[in-house]
Amino acid sequence: EPEVTQTPSHQVTQMGQEVILRCVPISNHLYFYWYRQILGQKVEFLVSFYNNEISEKSEIFDDQFSVERPDGSNFTLKIRSTKLEDSAMYFCASSEEQGARSPLHFGNGTRLTVT
Amino acid sequence: DQQVKQNSPSLSVQEGRISILNCDYTNSMFDYFLWYKKYPAEGPTFLISISSIKDKNEDGRFTVFLNKSAKHLSLHIVPSQPGDSAVYFCAASGGGTASKLTFGTGTRLQVTL
Repeated sequence: EPEVTQTPSHQVTQMGQEVILRCVPISNHLYFYWYRQILGQKVEFLVSFYNNEISEKSEIFDDQFSVERPDGSNFTLKIRSTKLEDSAMYFCASSEEQGARSPLHFGNGTRLTVT
Repeated sequence: DQQVKQNSPSLSVQEGRISILNCDYTNSMFDYFLWYKKYPAEGPTFLISISSIKDKNEDGRFTVFLNKSAKHLSLHIVPSQPGDSAVYFCAASGGGTASKLTFGTGTRLQVTL
């Protein structure tokens, strides 16, 4: 079964550094998302992306965050200047159609640790 | 922001018995509800969903019940199997075509032999 792949599985960075988290969504999916889960807390929506544009973003997704689909297969999340509170598991997801009726397929996540 | 709540952080059930996981929500704009299962070191996996126009949806051993007036949904797993041991997240989506999911905090289910 096709799956969403994320790299790296674990990223350690120093506060203030830039990080790029990478994702390869399922090939025929058109809608892409980033969610995150801080340890012990719930999974939170960050951003959704369609047709090379952000379609929706949460209040967490401030100017420090950006997303890009640099080519036909990758979908990236960049954090410009990481803070300690950015430490979390970041999940990429994709779906075939828009709307919750088209279930999201999640990757296995990238654990980001900011020291 | 506690729009979706799962008040039981953990649940232990014997193999073969019924597991009932509960979820409450506060936002009346939510019109679609989903359950995801998550194993350690993996992403959430879609399990089952229900539209607000229905009160029950069944898929094999999994049934989701929705009580709109009480803003409550539950996931029933019958019979429970050891492989069902995982964290279960309730999620909700509101109106229109928005795909944003609001998740609960999860319930860790352990199915014992």
